[in-house]
Amino acid sequence: SQQGEEDPQALSIQEGENATMNCSYKTSINNLQWYRQNSGRGLVHLILIRSNEREKHSGRLRVTLDTSKKSSSLLITASRAADTASYFCAKEGSYIPTFGRGTSLIVHP
Amino acid sequence: EAGVAQSPRYKIIEKRQSVAFWCNPISGHATLYWYQQILGQGPKLLIQFQNNGVVDDSQLPKDRFSAERLKGVDSTLKIQPAKLEDSAVYLCASSLLTSGGDGTQYFGPGTRLTVL
Repeated sequence: SQQGEEDPQALSIQEGENATMNCSYKTSINNLQWYRQNSGRGLVHLILIRSNEREKHSGRLRVTLDTSKKSSSLLITASRAADTASYFCAKEGSYIPTFGRGTSLIVHP
Repeated sequence: EAGVAQSPRYKIIEKRQSVAFWCNPISGHATLYWYQQILGQGPKLLIQFQNNGVVDDSQLPKDRFSAERLKGVDSTLKIQPAKLEDSAVYLCASSLLTSGGDGTQYFGPGTRLTVL
């Protein structure tokens, strides 16, 4: 079964606003990755955060990891219409990755 | 660097027919994954290969699904016979996943299967 879920399932915002989505998991992990999926396409890797890291940045993306709460968050700042996509976190424990249902983000121009 | 290639991109079959999907991973990537993604859900791992050996196939419905990775490069996923609930996008991904590697996966465009 899929471990943990992204929250919220859907998010609708205006261009320029920030978007925050969360990911929870149940068992210990080695690292956690965030991916984006545009409609009808494969997933694209965004950022990796290791279990001993608490925060990472990549451009307009900021990822945090709280291992005590078994949760991670992805923040997209100054969103653009092109950010419209589904976002998934992948939890990697014993080399077997598990994805949640994802957060569907719509950014209105 | 060429990405992960998959074919066909789309396939429509009738239930009880068989179908095969092909994947060519990024050159040098030891690990290859097949996922099933049903509409509105996240990818579900079907099988993971490390070179030509199976690492995990616990979620592969082995009564109808089979996969192989000959010579540790290309891979094929087969469904025989197909059921209506097999309608989904089948994604292939590859990663370096060497010892201590981060396991970042690179996905192909997927094959959209419709079973009528």
